Amino acid sequence: QSALTQPASVSGSPGQSITISCTAASGDIYEFEYVSWYQRHPGKAPKLIIYQVYKRPSGVSSRFTGSRSGMRASLTISGLQADDEADYFCCSHTSLSTYVFGTGTKVTVL
Amino acid sequence: QVQLQESGPGLVKPSQTLSLTCTVSGGSIISADYFWNWIRQPAGKGLEWIGRIYSNGRVDYAPSLKSRATISVDTSTNQFSLRLDSVTAADTAVYWCASRISSRGAFDHWGPGAQVTVSS
Repeated sequence: QSALTQPASVSGSPGQSITISCTAASGDIYEFEYVSWYQRHPGKAPKLIIYQVYKRPSGVSSRFTGSRSGMRASLTISGLQADDEADYFCCSHTSLSTYVFGTGTKVTVL
Repeated sequence: QVQLQESGPGLVKPSQTLSLTCTVSGGSIISADYFWNWIRQPAGKGLEWIGRIYSNGRVDYAPSLKSRATISVDTSTNQFSLRLDSVTAADTAVYWCASRISSRGAFDHWGPGAQVTVSS
């Protein structure tokens, strides 16, 4: 099972919007209706920010939005803030009852 | 609110067995709502799902680790554990335990993480 492909890095200025993509190389086993997104600050545990493509857990800012088109999922961060600087990972459940994470994207706030 | 905490040796010798335990509080490990997972991240690399265990004892593993990993649960202590056999330097990573609630299909609570280094 190959990792899901994400851009290695994305950057933006405060207040701007950025989008991170998450693409499956082959769609046979990925159940993209269960795509989730995680934010990880250095030295901290990952934090769930999006589940089931677009849903946000309680307490997560509405500036984070998720979407999906076929076997490509996206995370958009609007109104970029300094605290958004972190690594972001997508994750998909598979039909083999396993999970596969994306390669990870480093977000830099300029 | 479910809370998780990893524990175990931070240093393991090559070819030996890595053992970690996750203590669950704020929820029952026999709850039918949760899967209990292990996930790791080697330095400079991405996250890797290792495996999961369900309250009924069902276990699933990542294909790449299936031959070396064993996940078990101890309902008397509300803990679940990971054993990884025949470790090499490539197994050096931060290891997390995480819960997955069935209704969300995502890893909603994580422990703080445990650094494990494989070195002689």
